[in-house]
Amino acid sequence: QKEVEQNSGPLSVPEGAIASLNCTYSDRVSQSFFWYRQYSGKSPELIMSIYSNGDKEDGRFTAQLNKASQYVSLLIRDSQPSDSATYLCASHRSGDKVIFGPGTSLSVIP
Amino acid sequence: DAGVTQSPTHLIKTRGQHVTLRCSPISGHKSVSWYQQVLGQGPQFIFQYYEKEERGRGNFPDRFSARQFPNYSSELNVNALLLGDSALYLCASSLGGAAKNIQYFGAGTRLSVL
Repeated sequence: QKEVEQNSGPLSVPEGAIASLNCTYSDRVSQSFFWYRQYSGKSPELIMSIYSNGDKEDGRFTAQLNKASQYVSLLIRDSQPSDSATYLCASHRSGDKVIFGPGTSLSVIP
Repeated sequence: DAGVTQSPTHLIKTRGQHVTLRCSPISGHKSVSWYQQVLGQGPQFIFQYYEKEERGRGNFPDRFSARQFPNYSSELNVNALLLGDSALYLCASSLGGAAKNIQYFGAGTRLSVL
């Protein structure tokens, strides 16, 4: 079983819609979770970090964490063509390495 | 403030050669991690260093080695290059220690092995 799983996509949404990206993880001891955005040919850039159950909002982005279900999601409101990228989910437990999922490709159609 | 810097940006080598990749972390960051990213996949963990000591090693052969210097910069060395080593090599720095390990990535070094 892969440690961090994501739907590879591609996920296509129209401009202005809500994009929903999902991630599951297998290590129940994981404490920290991250969403990175990666444009083609570029390095990952951090969008959100979340450590506690519930929602965390930052501008158009909302991260949701459910530790009981071992599930993390990222919602992007009012999606823009510039949001078209690969979104990487990552988990971390103290003293251990950060594990990345394979990424979900998002395409926002104008 | 400067972000994570990596050098070189691109590199072309032939099979059997050796390569050294370099990374300078964000000022104040004491932890450096190295990742390999093959096209279409997420970054795969190679090494983590904190305060010049190895804190973690991924599932990579012994041809891969790394070290961290007193100024917290780091080198990744790969010996006896194989075609399959062609990838984007990413360095990430973080505060390390008890911090929640938010990692900030450099632009990466794209290695092509011919």
